[in-house]
Amino acid sequence: DAKTTQPTSMDCAEGRAANLPCNHSTISGNEYVYWYRQIHSQGPQYIIHGLKNNETNEMASLIITEDRKSSTLILPHATLRDTAVYYCIVRPSTGNQFYFGTGTSLTVIP
Amino acid sequence: DAGVIQSPRHEVTEMGQEVTLRCKPISGHDYLFWYRQTMMRGLELLIYFNNNVPIDDSGMPEDRFSAKMPNASFSTLKIQPSEPRDSAVYFCASSLGGTAASTDTQYFGPGTRLTVL
Repeated sequence: DAKTTQPTSMDCAEGRAANLPCNHSTISGNEYVYWYRQIHSQGPQYIIHGLKNNETNEMASLIITEDRKSSTLILPHATLRDTAVYYCIVRPSTGNQFYFGTGTSLTVIP
Repeated sequence: DAGVIQSPRHEVTEMGQEVTLRCKPISGHDYLFWYRQTMMRGLELLIYFNNNVPIDDSGMPEDRFSAKMPNASFSTLKIQPSEPRDSAVYFCASSLGGTAASTDTQYFGPGTRLTVL
């Protein structure tokens, strides 16, 4: 299964865009990239997923490079409530397991 | 839908006691997952079910842990006997499943914080 690498922590000013990178250089052609976040003491929350096209929903945008070896989650206007740990996950091509790594701890600063 | 429901939200017990955690998945979801989260090990998958049948229990730490899913709307995770190192937050998640990525999205419950003294 493809592994992901994320920075341990990041800061972002409130109201600015938060760009969270993820490397998944061993990803296979049919494996999806998922993003979840976990706000302190809560269960992980689904944000977005994609295969090779860029995706956008009401929460965020997902930019996947053409070679699919990396992706960036963009929170367009970060708020204090976006402070959380963000997990980048590669969905295995077989099976239904999600493997959560250590994620990126995002702190939005007033 | 109310989402994934877990009970209790907090459990404090003494070493050696039996602990039972409960989960009600989202109605219509065919997959149910149990995770454990600790500071040291992060979020770990323990076991998951498809249509009430255990598919992969390779993450279950030892024989003291057992999980059942007697029907589509209820699952339990039991620890007997409990030990202090079992202290963690236990999450249940469910998904529609299938081969499409859109149906694989897992929705998590609020978790049960277990403390074993």
